[in-house]
Amino acid sequence: GAVVSQHPSRVICKSGTSVKIECRSLDFQATTMFWYRQFPKQSLMLMATSNEGSKATYEQGVEKDKFLINHASLTLSTLTVTSAHPEDSSFYICSAYSGIDSYEQYFGPGTRLTVT
Amino acid sequence: GNSVTQMEGPVTLSEEAFLTINCTYTATGYPSLFWYVQYPGEGLQLLLKATKADDKGSNKGFEATYRKETTSFHLEKGSVQVSDSAVYFCALSEDNQGGKLIFGQGTELSVKP
Repeated sequence: GAVVSQHPSRVICKSGTSVKIECRSLDFQATTMFWYRQFPKQSLMLMATSNEGSKATYEQGVEKDKFLINHASLTLSTLTVTSAHPEDSSFYICSAYSGIDSYEQYFGPGTRLTVT
Repeated sequence: GNSVTQMEGPVTLSEEAFLTINCTYTATGYPSLFWYVQYPGEGLQLLLKATKADDKGSNKGFEATYRKETTSFHLEKGSVQVSDSAVYFCALSEDNQGGKLIFGQGTELSVKP
C-alpha cells in the first residue's frame, strides 16, 4: 500500500518555541491531507483538512493561528505548532488521501510532541 | 453531530478465541463505515469498510456488517492470532467517500499464546 511518512517521530521543545512537523506521501500524490491529534487512550481528533494549494479548513475549536498548516505540494504538508505550551503535548498524526482509490486514507506513523 | 462509540478495552483473548469488538454510530444521512487497525509503532491501516446498509466488509479473517437498523458495525473474527494484537478503531466518513473521518476511541486487543 501507499506510504506516508512523518518527521520527526519525536520532538521535545521548550514552552514558547515553535515546532514544525512534516507529512509526506512517498509514492503517490495526495490531493488532501488531514491532521489529527490523539490523546493517550483516546480517539483521533480531526484538527484540519489540508488541500494542496489552498488554505486549510480547521475544525471547530482548533486555533488556526496556533496550528499553522501548509500544503505546498501534492506530496508534502506541514503542521507548525506556534508558541507551544505544555497543553499542546500530544501525538499528532497525518493522513493522505489521493481521492483516486476512493475511501482509503493512508496514515503516517505519528509524531510525539512534548513541550516542557 | 456525528459520533462513533466503541467498547472499551483492553480486550485480552487467548489464541484461537472468537473476537467481537462492538461499534455503534450516530450520524445524519448514510455514512460509510470503516475499521482501522494500528499495530505497535505503526500508522493506522484500513482493515475493512462498508459503504451502505447490509454491506459486509471483510479482510484477513475479520468481518463487519453495516447494520442500519441498529446503527452498528461490530468487528468479528472467528479465531484470533497473536499477530492480531493491536488497537482497532471504528470510524465513519462524514463525506461518504472516506475523506473526513470520525473515529471511535479505539479498542486495544491483546492476544496471548
